[in-house]
Amino acid sequence: KAGVTQTPRYLIKTRGQQVTLSCSPISGHRSVSWYQQTPGQGLQFLFEYFSETQRNKGNFPGRFSGRQFSNSRSEMNVSTLELGDSALYLCASTGRIDREANTEAFFGQGTRLTVV
Amino acid sequence: AQTVTQSQPEMSVQEAETVTLSCTYDTSESDYYLFWYKQPPSRQMILVIRQEAYKQQNATENRFSVNFQKAAKSFSLKISDSQLGDAAMYFCAYGVGWGDMRFGAGTRLTVKP
Repeated sequence: KAGVTQTPRYLIKTRGQQVTLSCSPISGHRSVSWYQQTPGQGLQFLFEYFSETQRNKGNFPGRFSGRQFSNSRSEMNVSTLELGDSALYLCASTGRIDREANTEAFFGQGTRLTVV
Repeated sequence: AQTVTQSQPEMSVQEAETVTLSCTYDTSESDYYLFWYKQPPSRQMILVIRQEAYKQQNATENRFSVNFQKAAKSFSLKISDSQLGDAAMYFCAYGVGWGDMRFGAGTRLTVKP
């Protein structure tokens, strides 16, 4: 079974631009969560999608948005990039659909975003 | 608010020895999940072990075991017979629900041959 796939693996963008990251979950998984990992703030929850609907959201500005498609693939978008958005962005998928969906989460290898 | 604290930024262990990584958390919930994740240089987060708060028995996965003290809100990870492949960042995490996990700052484990 293929794991969680994130593309691209590396990305360099200029301040003010926007970026879209992609996450393909494990086949059959319908829940996808996104996390931001930085040296200063550590791992922080961005949002979670299930069946094309955002079910939960962390404490990030509106510049961070996401969506999920009918095949469960998810995209994350960051508009008007700032230097502080440089981070490793991780997504995780799970086959569980209840509140404890994160108890069996599988992570991708992440997308390393650098904003210059 | 749920917070997770890992007080050991770095730990070191001799190969084949045992090491314990510490984690404390704060929550007002009575039912929740706790996790230990490993992040090697490849960056992929790998689940090491998980514990349901309603279970009194400590979870065990091969060489990995936890000491879960619910009243003290403590959740330490013990790695027995340490191997070179265990070297990584280890994160303690608390499951809030609906895909939301709160992570500690991590402990970098070095394994010396």
